[in-house]
Amino acid sequence: AQSVTQLDSQVPVFEEAPVELRCNYSSSVSVYLFWYVQYPNQGLQLLLKYLSGSTLVKGINGFEAEFNKSQTSFHLRKPSVHISDTAEYFCAVRGMMAGNNRKLIWGLGTSLAVNP
Amino acid sequence: EPEVTQTPSHQVTQMGQEVILRCVPISNHLYFYWYRQILGQKVEFLVSFYNNEISEKSEIFDDQFSVERPDGSNFTLKIRSTKLEDSAMYFCASLRDTEQYFGPGTRLTVT
Repeated sequence: AQSVTQLDSQVPVFEEAPVELRCNYSSSVSVYLFWYVQYPNQGLQLLLKYLSGSTLVKGINGFEAEFNKSQTSFHLRKPSVHISDTAEYFCAVRGMMAGNNRKLIWGLGTSLAVNP
Repeated sequence: EPEVTQTPSHQVTQMGQEVILRCVPISNHLYFYWYRQILGQKVEFLVSFYNNEISEKSEIFDDQFSVERPDGSNFTLKIRSTKLEDSAMYFCASLRDTEQYFGPGTRLTVT
């Protein structure tokens, strides 16, 4: 079984400042890792994903995340945020094996509020 | 770019009534999912569907819930007798390779 912990429920930040949204997971099997973004009144959009290979993955809108296996973390970062990045961010995992492990297990989400 | 669509965007129903939430997954995808998000809580897996049958369901997905792919394009979630605690945002998703593509969601309000 897997679980995901997002350590910060809310992150306020000023425009053009850097931001890090933290995500830790636990799993008895190897996992794929995902970050999704949900803008106000919209659905869930994939930001980036880690499947294998380089531990630093780049996604859309200037976001990147680093997979750290020893710390079981997958923190999301952006060097300079914009007002338009204000949204809810979700970390999710799923087992690498096919079959029943295809479902996504989600964190509680982090609300990023970018202020001018 | 193809996308997952869901209707309606908002459904208000009275407790005990049946509701059907509709989804049109991306046409060449083979795995389909329903998730729900109760306000202020995490997104929760409900059910996955492959090859015209349920491949996995969560403990939330009890006898009051059912899914169907009636015509090869729509994917529906039915709640037979809604309860207040069914009020949530319901997301449909379809899978290609490792990525799940989500619809915009249906907000269900049970009064």
